[in-house]
Amino acid sequence: EIVLTQSPGTLSLSPGERATLSCRASQSVSSSYLAWYQQKPGQAPRLLIYGASSRATGIPDRFSGSGSGTDFTLTISRLEPEDFAVYYCQQYGSSTGYTFGQGTKLEIK
Amino acid sequence: EVQLLESGGGLVQPGGSLRLSCAASGFTFSSYAMSWVRQAPGKGLEWVSAISGSGGSTYYADSVKGRFTISRDNSKNTLYLQMNSLRAEDTAVYYCASSRPYIAAAGTLAFDIWGQGTMVTVSS
Repeated sequence: EIVLTQSPGTLSLSPGERATLSCRASQSVSSSYLAWYQQKPGQAPRLLIYGASSRATGIPDRFSGSGSGTDFTLTISRLEPEDFAVYYCQQYGSSTGYTFGQGTKLEIK
Repeated sequence: EVQLLESGGGLVQPGGSLRLSCAASGFTFSSYAMSWVRQAPGKGLEWVSAISGSGGSTYYADSVKGRFTISRDNSKNTLYLQMNSLRAEDTAVYYCASSRPYIAAAGTLAFDIWGQGTMVTVSS
């Protein structure tokens, strides 16, 4: 079973700053099957990034994804007030199905 | 407009059963694989089960295998999750989710269509 570990657990930043969120896998995963989601309180998750680096439809270009193997990163270049939320990474494996990380909470400093 | 609408959640005793439904609209339902994803109160996301567009293939997380059954009725554009032998740890918001064609065309698997969720509480 592949375990995804996200860090930090909580990230405190101010609007306008750059955010870097990490997702580390316990073993190598295919970049094709690595995704990132944003979730706000009381809402369903929203897909931000698929295939490790492709933005989903309608996602602003301040969101970018990178990485390969076991280390993946979600970067928000310049934080807007609406970006403060919880972020999850997710991977797909043919034998285990979908696995999510435990989440990173991005809060206003 | 693409839309998923879950229903059927509620309070059930440990050991009891519940059937969730997810009504789809705005897309050709039979062409889309569907999944259930849950989220316990204050916790992260957990994938529960998936089913192919035809319904011929089903997949389950180990935590629900043998207790939950996913199915679909393409004539009614509806996805189901039959939950038996429910435990306290099954308490969660249950979302149905799927992917638009451009996701599959990219050779990847991710959920860009989500319902609003339905709450299941297992408690005596």
